[in-house]
Amino acid sequence: KNEVEQSPQNLTAQEGEFITINCSYSVGISALHWLQQHPGGGIVSLFMLSSGKKKHGRLIATINIQEKHSSLHITASHPRDSAVYICAVRSEGGKLIFGQGTELSVKP
Amino acid sequence: EPEVTQTPSHQVTQMGQEVILRCVPISNHLYFYWYRQILGQKVEFLVSFYNNEISEKSEIFDDQFSVERPDGSNFTLKIRSTKLEDSAMYFCASIQAHLEAFFGQGTRLTVV
Repeated sequence: KNEVEQSPQNLTAQEGEFITINCSYSVGISALHWLQQHPGGGIVSLFMLSSGKKKHGRLIATINIQEKHSSLHITASHPRDSAVYICAVRSEGGKLIFGQGTELSVKP
Repeated sequence: EPEVTQTPSHQVTQMGQEVILRCVPISNHLYFYWYRQILGQKVEFLVSFYNNEISEKSEIFDDQFSVERPDGSNFTLKIRSTKLEDSAMYFCASIQAHLEAFFGQGTRLTVV
């Protein structure tokens, strides 16, 4: 079983929809990262969380440490949000463990 | 905006050749990482580096791989004798303690 599981693996949405991507993990962590990877491969860090909730523009990330679960929400989705969204947890030893990614496609 | 720089962006090499992938992490960061992503698969951890030494490595990181921080700025990944299955996108990342992770744009390695 993967230490970091994301769902769904693929998601297609219409422009304007509210989107939620989920991440569950089974290891002890010091932080959780949400990353975005566009076609062409570059990875950009969206959020780093160790507790609670963070918001940046239309993106909201939450984490529940007790339940070992995090969600990434996108409000008023737009075609430019189309990308692979990756949850990565930082283990207590320091390394980042990646989920398999969620491929999001937002249709106009 | 600080950034992690990787060179080259794309490298094609013959099987059995040595390759060196270069990364310039953010200067005041302490933790450095190499990851790889085989086409269509998820990103995999290779090695972490802290205080000028390897702190953790994966099963992928066998004797064919080595990392160095030769001059205090560059962080290199060397593959001694490349195999076809080493073809992947290689990402360098640097992290300052409990803050954001910064990733380079990656080096696409193609072994032919």
